[in-house]
Amino acid sequence: NAGVTQTPKFQVLKTGQSMTLQCAQDMNHNSMYWYRQDPGMGLRLIYYSASEGTTDKGEVPNGYNVSRLNKREFSLRLESAAPSQTSVYFCASSEVRVGNTIYFGEGSWLTVV
Amino acid sequence: KQEVTQIPAALSVPEGENLVLNCSFTDSAIYNLQWFRQDPGKGLTSLLLIQSSQREQTSGRLNASLDKSSGRSTLYIAASQPGDSATYLCAASHLYNQGGKLIFGQGTELSVKP
Repeated sequence: NAGVTQTPKFQVLKTGQSMTLQCAQDMNHNSMYWYRQDPGMGLRLIYYSASEGTTDKGEVPNGYNVSRLNKREFSLRLESAAPSQTSVYFCASSEVRVGNTIYFGEGSWLTVV
Repeated sequence: KQEVTQIPAALSVPEGENLVLNCSFTDSAIYNLQWFRQDPGKGLTSLLLIQSSQREQTSGRLNASLDKSSGRSTLYIAASQPGDSATYLCAASHLYNQGGKLIFGQGTELSVKP
């Protein structure tokens, strides 16, 4: 059972380059999320998708775009990478139900030089 | 704006000791509070979720409590083991139907020495 799968695991980008982080879940969840984790700051929500066809901004959306391709897949795009976007990115999914568990992927380490 | 704080940032204890991790939040109008475990280089695993109407939840050697009036939650780990070494994060949710839209604390890095 794969759960939440993210690719790539590691990536180094030059300032100004673009890239897309891919995420897929096999649990038939309606809701999906992108978080970033920085040292000493915990996780912060970038964007989320409550259901297929909808997306909304989280706490730190600037510099990012997302696409909910279908119910399984939710991608995060950096159009013009900046050093401030060096971080660990986590995708997650959950069902829209009281008390339901959220499941995280194993993370994508992104360095922008 | 909700702020979630975890103190201390790091904790080292000998094996077998009972310990308490602390989490505080500024806005008591939460819907639930969750505790997660994160191993180095890995994602987060949900440990316990406490609804706002509940006072505590238990799973094995773990017990989480919630006191909304004081803005505090604690995670109690009984008889700690080296395998408990990890970072523990708490997170608050304000929306009943968006359990994954969370405000996280910075985490407490726990080291249990054999």
